[in-house]
Amino acid sequence: EAQVTQNPRYLITVTGKKLTVTCSQNMNHEYMSWYRQDPGLGLRQIYYSMNVEVTDKGDVPEGYKVSRKEKRNFPLILESPSPNQTSLYFCASSPTTAGYNQPQHFGDGTRLSIL
Amino acid sequence: GQQLNQSPQSMFIQEGEDVSMNCTSSSIFNTWLWYKQDPGEGPVLLIALYKAGELTSNGRLTAQFGITRKDSFLNISASIPSDVGIYFCAGQLPTSNSGYALNFGKGTSLLVTP
Repeated sequence: EAQVTQNPRYLITVTGKKLTVTCSQNMNHEYMSWYRQDPGLGLRQIYYSMNVEVTDKGDVPEGYKVSRKEKRNFPLILESPSPNQTSLYFCASSPTTAGYNQPQHFGDGTRLSIL
Repeated sequence: GQQLNQSPQSMFIQEGEDVSMNCTSSSIFNTWLWYKQDPGEGPVLLIALYKAGELTSNGRLTAQFGITRKDSFLNISASIPSDVGIYFCAGQLPTSNSGYALNFGKGTSLLVTP
């Protein structure tokens, strides 16, 4: 089954404790991205990757890092999480970098709470 | 990212009624997408629009890409309880580094009573 898988689905942690949210897709997609969703603000893009070893900042990259060492995986790293990073996070992927006729497909989300 | 204005913010309707929501922007997009999000899940693509003026249907859903490329609407006919959820519009633009950016509206929350 084609899917985007995020782990963990839920995490409660404390300020400053490094954490990684994994994202994996089994569709051989080139394009992957991370979003955060906050009440009243909709979805905002954090980082995206057009292919292996190619990443770029989205609208709200501060406080986050990503890596794309393999095509299928695109982990989101919070080196020193802070309470304002408490949010619902989504990973998404699509087949090509061009995006035309290739809409993004989303994972089921990771709810992070930073105390 | 580009600002998308989605309205209405929420709707509370009775089963069987038709629903209409729209998105506008000050910027031109080359693709408009409509997603639905159920509680506890990620957004699921409903309809994708690629040409100005394009009108596309998916079952009871119909969406149009505005002629000016700055707006889109989504209609749901004869609503049913399982239509409940949050609907998002998204506009897509290419970026300077051969990638593309997806900008989302803030969502329309739909409640349907039996």
